[in-house]
Amino acid sequence: DQQVKQNSPSLSVQEGRISILNCDYTNSMFDYFLWYKKYPAEGPTFLISISSIKDKNEDGRFTVFLNKSAKHLSLHIVPSQPGDSAVYFCAASARLVSNDYKLSFGAGTTVTVRA
Amino acid sequence: DTGVSQDPRHKITKRGQNVTFRCDPISEHNRLYWYRQTLGQGPEFLTYFQNEAQLEKSRLLSDRFSAERPKGSFSTLEIQRTEQGDSAMYLCASSLTGSDYGYTFGSGTRLTVV
Repeated sequence: DQQVKQNSPSLSVQEGRISILNCDYTNSMFDYFLWYKKYPAEGPTFLISISSIKDKNEDGRFTVFLNKSAKHLSLHIVPSQPGDSAVYFCAASARLVSNDYKLSFGAGTTVTVRA
Repeated sequence: DTGVSQDPRHKITKRGQNVTFRCDPISEHNRLYWYRQTLGQGPEFLTYFQNEAQLEKSRLLSDRFSAERPKGSFSTLEIQRTEQGDSAMYLCASSLTGSDYGYTFGSGTRLTVV
């Protein structure tokens, strides 16, 4: 059962514009959420995270928003740069309450930034 | 520190053969995870260790799969009697308990069973 869903397999955006990636989850026990970025032939690299006690976390060009009532989170990249072209995975865990560090991943969204 | 290392990067094996993969985590990380990723999907959890103790195994991990982490350092993942459905990228990751920075993943071992 897919507990984390990324319903958009791909996203194309012009350089300098905003990229918005969406993620939905079904498990109400999830309380910690992460975004990973993956280039071909490399493992995923950690990008940004947010715990369920917050609704926004910002790190440079990357901002993650969490809507707990809707079980939805999004990643905003502003401005998008060519180096942002990669696959982005949303992931979730129940680490805060359950001390469960294993991650459930979405299927990923491939972002292409056009010059 | 060179991050998480996985060996080999690629493995092609015939159906029915046994294969073993190795993962060297970041030295100060006490947790080590194995994930499997197939084409078009996100990584799926297989198992994890805290120090040398294997604390959880996914139901995806059939009896043909075994993982060890002797002395809480490197880890090995063995697949016995490989099947074509085992073809995937096997990812290892490590983390430090309480860290807010997620896992550090290795580059993975791509297994092809022919």
